Amino acid sequence: SQKIEQNSEALNIQEGKTATLTCNYTNYSPAYLQWYRQDPGRGPVFLLLIRENEKEKRKERLKVTFDTTLKQSLFHITASQPADSATYLCALLAGGTSYGKLTFGQGTILTVHP
Amino acid sequence: GAGVSQSPSNKVTEKGKDVELRCDPISGHTALYWYRQSLGQGLEFLIYFQGNSAPDKSGLPSDRFSAERTGGSVSTLTIQRTQQEDSAVYLCASSRTFDTQYFGPGTRLTVL
Repeated sequence: SQKIEQNSEALNIQEGKTATLTCNYTNYSPAYLQWYRQDPGRGPVFLLLIRENEKEKRKERLKVTFDTTLKQSLFHITASQPADSATYLCALLAGGTSYGKLTFGQGTILTVHP
Repeated sequence: GAGVSQSPSNKVTEKGKDVELRCDPISGHTALYWYRQSLGQGLEFLIYFQGNSAPDKSGLPSDRFSAERTGGSVSTLTIQRTQQEDSAVYLCASSRTFDTQYFGPGTRLTVL
């Protein structure tokens, strides 16, 4: 069956360090993969999208990699700040789907300590 | 501009009652999605609407759940004969293109 796993429920790091979150999937041929941020009591907010033919995408302090051989995406936050503390969700759009029916992972709760 | 809005923000109901949850998408967005998020879980896809096409209802957990979208804009998710396992946050999202979904703040439903 199709599965998306974010390998940590929670990740704690010190301010200034790089946070690395992992998203693994099985039995998918994704057209693209997205990362969202969710704060308590709020809906998810889109951060980055990476397509199946892209290896890496950057936006300010954020970097996403996508390895379709390993079936894995890594999400990095460099020079992390306490304000980066939130739940981060990865989401896949399966190939062949014409519109955005996303499947989400369960999320990783990131806490950045001052 | 205005984002996706949902109402009510919180709803407490008794088991067996019907509830209606409303979503106002961003103006001009042709696609609208409903998701459910249970405590500590990821988002579970329920249904999506794209323009005038028939909705994709493949994620609805039972026939107690239904949704409609009137005039290509506002959507209502209806849960009939609510059960305690229906307690969750119901999130709506809209998009103009296939690559970015904009989420509302959600409706927290509690079934007693």
